[in-house]
Amino acid sequence: GESVGLHLPTLSVQEGDNSIINCAYSNSASDYFIWYKQESGKGPQFIIDIRSNMDKRQGQRVTVLLNKTVKHLSLQIAATQPGDSAVYFCAENYSSGTYKYIFGTGTRLKVLA
Amino acid sequence: DTEVTQTPKHLVMGMTNKKSLKCEQHMGHRAMYWYKQKAKKPPELMFVYSYEKLSINESVPSRFSPECPNSSLLNLHLHALQPEDSALYLCASSPQSGADYGYTFGSGTRLTVV
Repeated sequence: GESVGLHLPTLSVQEGDNSIINCAYSNSASDYFIWYKQESGKGPQFIIDIRSNMDKRQGQRVTVLLNKTVKHLSLQIAATQPGDSAVYFCAENYSSGTYKYIFGTGTRLKVLA
Repeated sequence: DTEVTQTPKHLVMGMTNKKSLKCEQHMGHRAMYWYKQKAKKPPELMFVYSYEKLSINESVPSRFSPECPNSSLLNLHLHALQPEDSALYLCASSPQSGADYGYTFGSGTRLTVV
């Protein structure tokens, strides 16, 4: 299930199930979006990206969906594994043509054995 | 080499100290960044360097002073910090050709100000 802690929402899923992590972005003019995975003690790691002219993009076990109408991104992870346990951030290219990315609040994914 | 290397990994400094954080990449990336991350929070942009020139300063206090000596190195000089500046400081880089590239992040420097 999903719960909201003091600072970081947490999603707990059983190993082998699919995970869906959601993100609301802020700027309707943002044209490029990225999902990052951050494990404890490490920097964020690029997972998958999507441009605003697309509504879906698939990678290996991951799919990103973009709904520009409601400024919403989701990350779907198929057959979730223990190694998927981490904090997941979405990031938007806040100002097109610059190098400024704004990160969402993040979701902690816990995979239960 | 596909990494961004940050040193030191951990740093404890007093409020009157001067210290520097270092970041290095050899991927030919021409944009480099400093982010600050507090516990359970997303990274917050501090500075952006593009072709070794400062292009974005997110109204960061002057006790943080960035420097980009060459296209592979990025420093963050620290002076007279406050305990609330304790955080994970992340360096990142990206290719210069267009803004639509994800960053490559380093593992960060965990800074504690006492």
